[in-house]
Amino acid sequence: EVQLVESGGGLIQPGGSLRLSCAASGFTVSSNYMSWVRQAPGKGLEWVSVIYSGGSTYYADSVKGRFTISRDNSKNTLYLQMNSLRAEDTAVYYCARGNEYFQHWGQGTLVTVSS
Amino acid sequence: AIRMTQSPSSFSASTGDRVTITCRASQGISSYLAWYQQKPGKAPKLLIYAASTLQSGVPSRFSGSGSGTDFTLTISCLQSEDFATYYCQQYYSYPSTFGQGTKLEIK
Repeated sequence: EVQLVESGGGLIQPGGSLRLSCAASGFTVSSNYMSWVRQAPGKGLEWVSVIYSGGSTYYADSVKGRFTISRDNSKNTLYLQMNSLRAEDTAVYYCARGNEYFQHWGQGTLVTVSS
Repeated sequence: AIRMTQSPSSFSASTGDRVTITCRASQGISSYLAWYQQKPGKAPKLLIYAASTLQSGVPSRFSGSGSGTDFTLTISCLQSEDFATYYCQQYYSYPSTFGQGTKLEIK
């Protein structure tokens, strides 16, 4: 059974950094395209980043230069390093399997950027 | 970025009704469109991809159609568990973008 479990969210001050993790089971992260999608409170969905199986990465303009997606093949885990956080980054962050449409999603982890 | 516009943003319906949600892309996206269902506090669930292909395990009362710029999601006979928010998503080009959502409520 495919399972994705995010962790690492929390309350962080503007300008701070946070690293989100997404532990996968039931499939191999490095053989799949893996994405991060976020949802601000009461708002819609926003694609954030993707890492290809070959290692290429892409980002939404809103996070480019501040966020970095990566993976640890030995741990079968996806990461999102978030730096220079802003209030508008406040959201539930989901990891998802896929590059185009997203077949499997984690339960999400809430990131709140506030002083 | 391609803009996705859903209509209506919300509406009320009754169990047993047939409902249709529309999604329009700001430019042609061929059939690179997916539909998701999201319930409060839960992750989105993939319903349809490639505009009309039903994801495994999704009830057949859900169907999708369209290509180019205009798409529809139809629920043929609403069940109580279908009251949720629905999103369309284009994956024709980066960045992938979602519609603003359609909240389906019980009348």
